[in-house]
Amino acid sequence: KAGVTQTPRYLIKTRGQQVTLSCSPISGHRSVSWYQQTPGQGLQFLFEYFSETQRNKGNFPGRFSGRQFSNSRSEMNVSTLELGDSALYLCASSLAGAGGEKLFFGSGTQLSVL
Amino acid sequence: QKEVEQNSGPLSVPEGAIASLNCTYSDRGSQSFFWYRQYSGKSPELIMSIYSNGDKEDGRFTAQLNKASQYVSLLIRDSQPSDSATYLCAVEDSGYSTLTFGKGTMLLVSP
Repeated sequence: KAGVTQTPRYLIKTRGQQVTLSCSPISGHRSVSWYQQTPGQGLQFLFEYFSETQRNKGNFPGRFSGRQFSNSRSEMNVSTLELGDSALYLCASSLAGAGGEKLFFGSGTQLSVL
Repeated sequence: QKEVEQNSGPLSVPEGAIASLNCTYSDRGSQSFFWYRQYSGKSPELIMSIYSNGDKEDGRFTAQLNKASQYVSLLIRDSQPSDSATYLCAVEDSGYSTLTFGKGTMLLVSP
C-alpha cells in the first residue's frame, strides 16, 4: 500500500513569490493535515481537510491556504513568500481525522525562501 | 494555547541501556497520545499510541500515561545506535481532530 506522497521534495523561491505544494494521501484516507516544521518552533499545525472542507485551522496568516479535491488529494499554497516561511512542510493523512486516529506523514517538501 | 513540553536533550545513553523520554501536556481533556520518531532529514514515523492510563508495551518500547499528572513517557529498552533520532510527543487537542506536537527530544545511543 503506497504511503503519503508529497511533491515536490525541494523548492527554492524568492521573497514575494508564491508556491503550491501537493499531497496525495494513503488510499482510502480522507483526512489530510498540513504541518510546518522549523528547528526553532518544531511541528506546527497549519490546517486539516476532510471531504473537501477545511475542518480545522492553525494560527497562521491568510497567506497560507489550502484545498482538497474529491479524490482526497490536497494542495497548500503560500503567497507573498517571506524569509521566515523557509521550513519543512509535512502532509499527514488519516482515515477520517477522528479523535484518536493515527497520522501518517509524507516525506515533506523542503522550502527555502531566498 | 495548548502546550506539549519535552526536554530537548540530547539524551545520551550507552548501547543496551534503557532510554527514558518524558512529555507533559496542558490540555486536561486530551484522550489520545502518540510518540513519533524522526530521523535527521526524514519525516516523523509513528511508533506508539496510548489512550488509557498505565503502560502499553510493544517490543522494546513501553509508553506510559498518567492523565492525572498530565504526563506521558516512552521507555526504550536495550537501546541500539539505530534508535538515535528525535522523539516527538503528540497530544490530541480535545474537541478537535488535530494533534499538538512537542518540539522533540534528541536521543543519542553510543555503541
